[in-house]
Amino acid sequence: QKEVEQDPGPLSVPEGAIVSLNCTYSNSAFQYFMWYRQYSRKGPELLMYTYSSGNKEDGRFTAQVDKSSKYISLFIRDSQPSDSATYLCAMSALIGELTFGTGTQLKVEL
Amino acid sequence: DTGVSQDPRHKITKRGQNVTFRCDPISEHNRLYWYRQTLGQGPEFLTYFQNEAQLEKSRLLSDRFSAERPKGSFSTLEIQRTEQGDSAMYLCASSLVGLAGNEQFFGPGTRLTVL
Repeated sequence: QKEVEQDPGPLSVPEGAIVSLNCTYSNSAFQYFMWYRQYSRKGPELLMYTYSSGNKEDGRFTAQVDKSSKYISLFIRDSQPSDSATYLCAMSALIGELTFGTGTQLKVEL
Repeated sequence: DTGVSQDPRHKITKRGQNVTFRCDPISEHNRLYWYRQTLGQGPEFLTYFQNEAQLEKSRLLSDRFSAERPKGSFSTLEIQRTEQGDSAMYLCASSLVGLAGNEQFFGPGTRLTVL
């Protein structure tokens, strides 16, 4: 079993929908949590960063961390076709190497 | 543009050849990471440097892989005697330790194809 599990999708939603992306993990030592967006054949772009538990909001994006359930989420409000990409969750116990999920492919359709 | 840069962006080589990739981190960042990403997977950690010191290299995939950061600025990743299984995207990331936790910023990657 992988340390970080992420549904690979693909997930297809209509424009304007609220998107929910999730990861579960097994390592209780993880305390730094990130979401990256990756367009095809490009490098990952950091979207959200959270330390420990709680919520963080940035524009249309909200990240949630529930350490008791070992579960993190990314919500995208008013989704746009330009949000179509692969979304990667990443986490670490210490300041150092990141452990990634496999990524969820999202398509926002007109 | 002051982000992470990588060169080359694409490399096609024949099996058995050596290849070297370069990464230039964000200028004030003191940590530099290398990851490998294969199709349909998330990036996989390989090694990292703090300034010029390589602090973790046990996760390099084999002894054919090596990395350097000679002056604490740019870094190179070399793969000797390439194999078809080395075909992947090689990603570099940098961060500033002590400022914002573990935020790592990635470059565009070098896509390697081994024929």
